[in-house]
Amino acid sequence: DIVMTQSPDSLAVSLGERATINCKSSRSVLYSSNNKNYLAWYQQKPGQPPKLLIYWASTRESGVPDRFSGSGSGTDFTLTISSFQAEDVAVYYCHQYYTIPPWTFGQGTKVEI
Amino acid sequence: QVQLVESGGGVVQPGRSLRLSCAASGFSFSEYGFDWVRQAPGRGLEWLTVISYDGSQKYYTDSVKGRFTISRDNSENTIHLQMNRLTAGDTAVYYCARDSGGYLDLWGQGILVTVSS
Repeated sequence: DIVMTQSPDSLAVSLGERATINCKSSRSVLYSSNNKNYLAWYQQKPGQPPKLLIYWASTRESGVPDRFSGSGSGTDFTLTISSFQAEDVAVYYCHQYYTIPPWTFGQGTKVEI
Repeated sequence: QVQLVESGGGVVQPGRSLRLSCAASGFSFSEYGFDWVRQAPGRGLEWLTVISYDGSQKYYTDSVKGRFTISRDNSENTIHLQMNRLTAGDTAVYYCARDSGGYLDLWGQGILVTVSS
């Protein structure tokens, strides 16, 4: 199985500042035939289900503020919140869905003010 | 309203079985695959299983393979998760999620399953 490792485990960010979360996969999740990275990012606020933010590593889901962006390829990925807002306090997860399951999540990164 | 609603959770004794359901509405159910993901108390997300749009393909993570079975009823717009031989380690909130090619773009609110004697 592909192991997803996020860093850091937790992060404190000032309002208006940039937040960066990293995700590393144990194997490449780039599918060469279509040049797509099979990597998604989710946000989970307390008491709520996860919410999709980013898929194909860098495609923002409809309705997600443009301060959220995803980048990276192969085994190394980053979720960036360009100007951190109070409502962005949450746990963030990366998720690989490369080829045949099982698919796996990172352990999560808790982001606080 | 586009939504997924889980049901069937509760308290169950170790070794017993439980069947979760996930009712979908507001979109074309038969065009999508569906996944189950769980979250133990205070822990991260664990992907469990996926079923294809037509039910022909099913995959499981090792920890539930042989104990859990995913199924779907396209006439009722419902997904099921049959869970057998439950242990304390299966205690978690279980989420049903719509699969749009691997990424999960719609999630239910989750249902709590507690395995305890």
